[in-house]
Amino acid sequence: QTVVTQEPSFSVSPGGTVTLTCGLSSGSVSTSYNPSWYQQTPGQAPRTLIYSTNTRSSGVPDRFSGSILGNKAALTITGAQADDESDYYCVLYMGSGIWVFGGGTKLTVV
Amino acid sequence: EVQLLESGGGLVQPGGSLRLSCAASGFTFDSYAMSWVRQAPGKGLEWVSTISGSGGSTFYADSVKGRFTISRDYSKNTLYLQINSLRADDTAIYYCAKTSGGALTPVDCWGQGTLVTVSS
Repeated sequence: QTVVTQEPSFSVSPGGTVTLTCGLSSGSVSTSYNPSWYQQTPGQAPRTLIYSTNTRSSGVPDRFSGSILGNKAALTITGAQADDESDYYCVLYMGSGIWVFGGGTKLTVV
Repeated sequence: EVQLLESGGGLVQPGGSLRLSCAASGFTFDSYAMSWVRQAPGKGLEWVSTISGSGGSTFYADSVKGRFTISRDYSKNTLYLQINSLRADDTAIYYCAKTSGGALTPVDCWGQGTLVTVSS
């Protein structure tokens, strides 16, 4: 079974730029996988940041952007702020109506 | 404004059943596929099921296939998840979610979740 891979943790300095990635245990991610990104802080419901590779959800600042980098989907955060410290999840469409989430990346802003 | 309000969670014994509900508002309910996503305590997100806007197509994760049934009531703008043969590893917060369009499109809006605890 194909696993969706994410970095378990990442750190960024305030004001810095960070790129989180979303890959496959076997194969390359392309736009056909419809990669999407979600932010979740402890005790809260997820919030949609990016869907369908690079479409920013309503109200999401343009500091957040999505793309395909090499063989992975990527979420880039520029000008990192303290309240960007969260868990970030990607999801990929595997076909036949099936979606698989990655294990999430815990982002620390320090 | 899109609003998704889940209800129906609670404590249930192993082997028991529950029906989760999600009251939707702020969008044309039959124009969007809807999904359920769950999160076990301290764990990541897990896609559970999706139903198309028409209700004619349903999809399930292997972990719940045969035990869970997704449905929707257009007169009440409500999404349901019938959960049977509950197991301890079904313990999770269950989120109702609206997709960005058809059944093969990703989630773009989330409810606040309802907690299901399976324990004797």
